[in-house]
Order: sequence, then structure tokens, then C-alpha cells
Amino acid sequence: DAGITQSPRHKVTETGTPVTLRCHQTENHRYMYWYRQDPGHGLRLIHYSYGVKDTDKGEVSDGYSVSRSKTEDFLLTLESATSSQTSVYFCAISEIAQSEQFFGPGTRLTVL
Amino acid sequence: GDSVTQMEGPVTLSEEAFLTINCTYTATGYPSLFWYVQYPGEGLQLLLKATKADDKGSNKGFEATYRKETTSFHLEKGSVQVSDSAVYFCALSIGGYQKVTFGTGTKLQVIP
Repeated sequence: DAGITQSPRHKVTETGTPVTLRCHQTENHRYMYWYRQDPGHGLRLIHYSYGVKDTDKGEVSDGYSVSRSKTEDFLLTLESATSSQTSVYFCAISEIAQSEQFFGPGTRLTVL
Repeated sequence: GDSVTQMEGPVTLSEEAFLTINCTYTATGYPSLFWYVQYPGEGLQLLLKATKADDKGSNKGFEATYRKETTSFHLEKGSVQVSDSAVYFCALSIGGYQKVTFGTGTKLQVIP
């Protein structure tokens, strides 16, 4: 199994509070991604990174920011959480162009 | 834009039945195609892939053939088992951006 961990695995928070989710990899893969998974929508890309300090927006990036200061860590921040951001968040990594992605175990976030 | 369409679920089959999950895609170019599987409470795992037309991906008894003429990548298995119960996602990747477009997923339930 690819070495990808996500923390926390579960979090309950209140509307308006900041939240940071962490993805950590031990594979030294260049590309890292954050997705959210919601019923009826499959997986939707929030942000991705193609190198240290190199990030770009996905299709549902509003309300989210990311940072990547080291190859192994990719952080997703919700500056002011809203109930619409209740979801399961997955981190993924990949090594080369058009190759498969390896997924972390997910973080279940509930915003009350 | 690029898109993936999967058959609606859930699909319920008896053990040893034949499985087909339909997947069609729209892409401006020549994508790589993937099937991922998600078991309850876990992240997605790559099941199989094909990178060019007429390629057949196979793994664990599952197969899918990249059909450029019908823009399809249907997943098949000759004899399903209870342990195959999961959600299956069709996906494509195109270009040099490493972004993957996922279908909405098809839930498969296999009953003894």
C-alpha cells in the first residue's frame, strides 16, 4: 500500500471556525490532490499540487485554500467552515503524468 | 469539458452472476482510462487501467476494454463474489496536468 496518511480521520466543528486537514505521504510523489466526496457527485477536485509551493485550483475550490511547504505534506484549510463543507475529504498522490492515483483513507468532516 | 458517465446504481446481483457496469466518456484528446474501487470506509484503490485504444485492463477477474469508437470503458466480471460488494468509479486522465475526472460511482451489492 502507498504510504499516505490523513489527519484527523474524523472531525466535528462549528460553522465559522477554521479547519485544517493534513495529508502526509512517504512515497516522494510529485503530485498531490484534495478531493471531496458527496453522494450523487462522486469525487470532485478541490485543489492540487504539482510540486513544493506549486498549487492550483480544482473545480470546487471556493472556500478552500492549500499549502505545500514540503514534498510530503499537503494541507487543506477551510478558513471559515460552512455546513455545505460537510463531506468526506480524500487526499491522493501520483508520480507521473496520466498515471494512477493513490488515495488516503479519508477524513470525515461535519460542520454543525 | 471532459466528463465520465456511469450507469446509475445500486446494482444488486446474486453470487456468481455476470457483472457489467457501463462507462462512457467525453474527452478532447486521448485519455487514459481507469476503474477504481472503494470498499466501505476506505479510500479508492486502482482496479485496472488502459492507456490507449483497444487496450484491455484486467485485475482480480475484472476486465475493461478501451473502445475509442464508442468512447466506452465498460467493466465486466464473469462471476461476482460477495467480497466484490463496493462502489466502482470510472475515471479518465488527459493531458499533462495530472488531473483525473471521475464518474459518480456505481454501488454494487452481491448477495449470497
